[in-house]
Amino acid sequence: KAGVTQTPRYLIKTRGQQVTLSCSPISGHRSVSWYQQTPGQGLQFLFEYFSETQRNKGNFPGRFSGRQFSNSRSEMNVSTLELGDSALYLCASRSGFLSGSPLHFGNGTRLTVT
Amino acid sequence: KNEVEQSPQNLTAQEGEFITINCSYSVGISALHWLQQHPGGGIVSLFMLSSGKKKHGRLIATINIQEKHSSLHITASHPRDSAVYICAGGNFGNEKLTFGTGTRLTIIP
Repeated sequence: KAGVTQTPRYLIKTRGQQVTLSCSPISGHRSVSWYQQTPGQGLQFLFEYFSETQRNKGNFPGRFSGRQFSNSRSEMNVSTLELGDSALYLCASRSGFLSGSPLHFGNGTRLTVT
Repeated sequence: KNEVEQSPQNLTAQEGEFITINCSYSVGISALHWLQQHPGGGIVSLFMLSSGKKKHGRLIATINIQEKHSSLHITASHPRDSAVYICAGGNFGNEKLTFGTGTRLTIIP
């Protein structure tokens, strides 16, 4: 079974631009969550989607948005990029919310904003 | 506000040593995750605990819900265990995790 796939792996953008990152969960997984990792703040929760509905959102500005499609694939978008948005963006999927069901992480998209 | 504190920040040990990494968490967290991150960024979920103890190979995770404390143990440590270990607190039914700052473990042959 293929793992969680994130594309692209690396991305370089300039301030003010927008970016879209993609996450394909493991087949059959309906829950997708997104996280940001920076050297200064560590890992932080961005969003969580289940069956195309956003269930939770972290403490990030409105420039950060996301969505989930009917095939469970998810995208996140960051508009008006700032230097501080440079980070590793990770997504994870889970088959459901069963007790003990593990999270499966993708390898991440490393975004550099110049 | 959910908080997770992890110690130590860095740990260097000789191959074969018994390793312990600690995590304390605040009220409002009912599920504790242990994650492993290798250079390059990939994260692997090691355990999710809400009570008791779990074991997988040389890894053991325990949680004391009264004291709001969890530990990750590695027995017979090996250089391939060198990685950053992260604990994260959350609740069943959602993925809104609060992460510790991570423990960078280096095992010297």
